[in-house]
Amino acid sequence: GAGVSQSPSNKVTEKGKDVELRCDPISGHTALYWYRQSLGQGLEFLIYFQGNSAPDKSGLPSDRFSAERTGGSVSTLTIQRTQQEDSAVYLCASSLGQGTQYFGPGTRLTVL
Amino acid sequence: AQKVTQAQTEISVVEKEDVTLDCVYETRDTTYYLFWYKQPPSGELVFLIRRNSFDEQNEISGRYSWNFQKSTSSFNFTITASQVVDSAVYFCALSEARRGDDKIIFGKGTRLHILP
Repeated sequence: GAGVSQSPSNKVTEKGKDVELRCDPISGHTALYWYRQSLGQGLEFLIYFQGNSAPDKSGLPSDRFSAERTGGSVSTLTIQRTQQEDSAVYLCASSLGQGTQYFGPGTRLTVL
Repeated sequence: AQKVTQAQTEISVVEKEDVTLDCVYETRDTTYYLFWYKQPPSGELVFLIRRNSFDEQNEISGRYSWNFQKSTSSFNFTITASQVVDSAVYFCALSEARRGDDKIIFGKGTRLHILP
């Protein structure tokens, strides 16, 4: 298909609730990444999936964060018991190899 | 260790001026890739360029040009005759080939304001 898509584009939730963010990578891309970008800040790496290998979870900030990638395609990032500091834009990217990542439009998460 | 430094946090120039965004990187690898991404106010990161470490030729694409110098570990980005639409945050990034994966380390970004 076209580019990387993410849903929802915006999510407002109450503190303590769980949220799920979805990413559809570019068809055929083997690698998928999640990043977090707080207001006016740079990109914070969260997690990386490559093919059937175990994901690199080294960037997840706490055990409230988890992600899965089903069938080597769609990925879901789950944040449990959301906190106000989780408010940010969550960006997904995919790549075919040799480093070039293509990004989705992001999901803006607001925790009240 | 991998590191990307964009010392300029924010730059403002008047439209039609030229502007250069600096990027300095650190890596122990001999094979690596360097990138620039643009993030306009809409928020989506747009891939601009990828260079591999063996290709030090400067590249020009329209008003954009990139100067890669291994001797100074720099990969600077110049916009010639800037336009208001160039206003965005620009990220420089590095990927090491020896890792065997595609992980990219991003700099903190330079916010560019082009004033009309």
